[in-house]
Amino acid sequence: SQTIHQWPATLVQPVGSPLSLECTVEGTSNPNLYWYRQAAGRGLQLLFYSVGIGQISSEVPQNLSASRPQDRQFILSSKKLLLSDSGFYLCAWNRGRANVLTFGAGSRLTVL
Amino acid sequence: AQKVTQAQTEISVVEKEDVTLDCVYETRDTTYYLFWYKQPPSGELVFLIRRNSFDEQNEISGRYSWNFQKSTSSFNFTITASQVVDSAVYFCALSDGNQFYFGTGTSLTVIP
Repeated sequence: SQTIHQWPATLVQPVGSPLSLECTVEGTSNPNLYWYRQAAGRGLQLLFYSVGIGQISSEVPQNLSASRPQDRQFILSSKKLLLSDSGFYLCAWNRGRANVLTFGAGSRLTVL
Repeated sequence: AQKVTQAQTEISVVEKEDVTLDCVYETRDTTYYLFWYKQPPSGELVFLIRRNSFDEQNEISGRYSWNFQKSTSSFNFTITASQVVDSAVYFCALSDGNQFYFGTGTSLTVIP
């Protein structure tokens, strides 16, 4: 069966510090991978999606970046965090763009 | 443009009451997919149901039922005999086979 792992679960970082959130999927190959952010207002904002290694599409301009160094690994990064980067970050995957999105447990980031 | 509207921001019901969560979508596509997700306090989004645009059959799964009406572009979700464990944020989503579009969610509180 397929599983998705996301870490760290909780992170408190000072403004201006770097960020790295990791997501891996097991039990499948060539998944579509997504990073979403959920701010305090609860809405889900798509940040990045990837259909293959090295293929990243950005949906929202920001100081975040994403990379996919391996087929089942998706990393969300920032060189310098802003206060507005605080939120709940969710990684998700599916096979085929209309198929069910399966989410990870999420990473809660607080930038102070 | 694709859009999902969940007009109910917060709902509170007393345990054992029935509750309906509304979802209205906008799309010009003839093929599309509708989803409901549950987000309990732990944060992880849990998939509940997926319907495609060609299947307007309503569905029942235990205490959960979904009413899909293309004529009104609605995909409403009813919980019968609500329980405290149903307390969560519920998201409706639309996929055009390319992207997912989420509503802003409805926070349901079931009072014991």
